Amino acid sequence: AQKITQTQPGMFVQEKEAVTLDCTYDTSDPSYGLFWYKQPSSGEMIFLIYQGSYDQQNATEGRYSLNFQKARKSANLVISASQLGDSAMYFCAMREGVDSSYKLIFGSGTRLLVRP
Amino acid sequence: GAVVSQHPSRVICKSGTSVKIECRSLDFQATTMFWYRQFPKQSLMLMATSNEGSKATYEQGVEKDKFLINHASLTLSTLTVTSAHPEDSSFYICSASDSLTGTLYEQYFGPGTRLTVT
Repeated sequence: AQKITQTQPGMFVQEKEAVTLDCTYDTSDPSYGLFWYKQPSSGEMIFLIYQGSYDQQNATEGRYSLNFQKARKSANLVISASQLGDSAMYFCAMREGVDSSYKLIFGSGTRLLVRP
Repeated sequence: GAVVSQHPSRVICKSGTSVKIECRSLDFQATTMFWYRQFPKQSLMLMATSNEGSKATYEQGVEKDKFLINHASLTLSTLTVTSAHPEDSSFYICSASDSLTGTLYEQYFGPGTRLTVT
């Protein structure tokens, strides 16, 4: 079974508008972490935001926020005020376990294109 | 901040030869390093997890004799693709975690190595 599911292979958004990238996950471990990474065409993986399973508040980092709905097992990324430089691949990932020495499982990714 | 480097960034090798890719943590001690492979337009697939001073743990379906991983120090892990074939052509990315002093959750990714086997 897929542990991380991203159902949107591609998305378009108009510059300056907000966009939501979907991510659902599946785990029976009570301790887990959810991540979003951005991968531009250069290939580097850029860490955007993290949500721990026990965090009460939704994570926010600048223009990025994570809409964490634990009961629905979803961790959608919201990008506000989209910029042209936001065009990239976006990957949702999950870590089962309590620290960073545990492996990450990645979703299939969503390609975001920001239109001027 | 935590920086991970990879060398080389691009490599072309002939079929049947071996190629070594280095992953270095520049400003922290990486107790655990991870190697991923990414085919074009696909996601990152974990190949193996390596802990300093011990044997790597390979994911199911990854040939340990073909993809040799050595994590001999707290700042260096190497991936050697032995007897490379064109189907090994891919983007190889390492990441490292600093579970000694870093945040509990973050892995730091290297910039990747694009391997082309001709």
